[in-house]
Amino acid sequence: DVKVTQSSRYLVKRTGEKVFLECVQDMDHENMFWYRQDPGLGLRLIYFSYDVKMKEKGDIPEGYSVSREKKERFSLILESASTNQTSMYLCASSTSGRPGYEQYFGPGTRLTVT
Amino acid sequence: SQQGEEDPQALSIQEGENATMNCSYKTSINNLQWYRQNSGRGLVHLILIRSNEREKHSGRLRVTLDTSKKSSSLLITASRAADTASYFCATDAASGSRLTFGEGTQLTVNP
Repeated sequence: DVKVTQSSRYLVKRTGEKVFLECVQDMDHENMFWYRQDPGLGLRLIYFSYDVKMKEKGDIPEGYSVSREKKERFSLILESASTNQTSMYLCASSTSGRPGYEQYFGPGTRLTVT
Repeated sequence: SQQGEEDPQALSIQEGENATMNCSYKTSINNLQWYRQNSGRGLVHLILIRSNEREKHSGRLRVTLDTSKKSSSLLITASRAADTASYFCATDAASGSRLTFGEGTQLTVNP
């Protein structure tokens, strides 16, 4: 079974802190994704990656950056956390060919910025 | 705006009843997928239907796709309390390169 893990289930940070959210998948998937989920807004794509060292902006990249140094790991970075980045963050991965293949999700990280 | 929009936003039924959720989308697609999310957890893939398919079954799930109306429905038969979750449709646009998720339907199945 595909397993996608995220470094923390719950995280509390202060405004202005640099925050790292880590995601690891164990199925050698080429594609990895970061979403945020907010009530009434559904899932919104922040960044995605087709391959190592490769990244593409999603719908809401502002205030975020990503890093993919190894195939299995995709990190989301909040350069200077703000209260409006309080949200549930979900990582996902999928196999190659097309990014539209079914995605496997991690359990999510609920981030609170105070 | 979101490519996929679910209807209704919330649905409450009794155990044993059928639950139907609908999804509408705007552009041509390669496939449409349904996911389930238990409270506070990640999403789990349920079923994928390709644009050239009209109906697909998986256990108690039945998905239909009408590309002329740009809509899909998810039917859960003989619902159980454990089916209580949020259900999302996601589309893989023919011209695009990633999935776009709707806002979800919150299903509550009362014992």
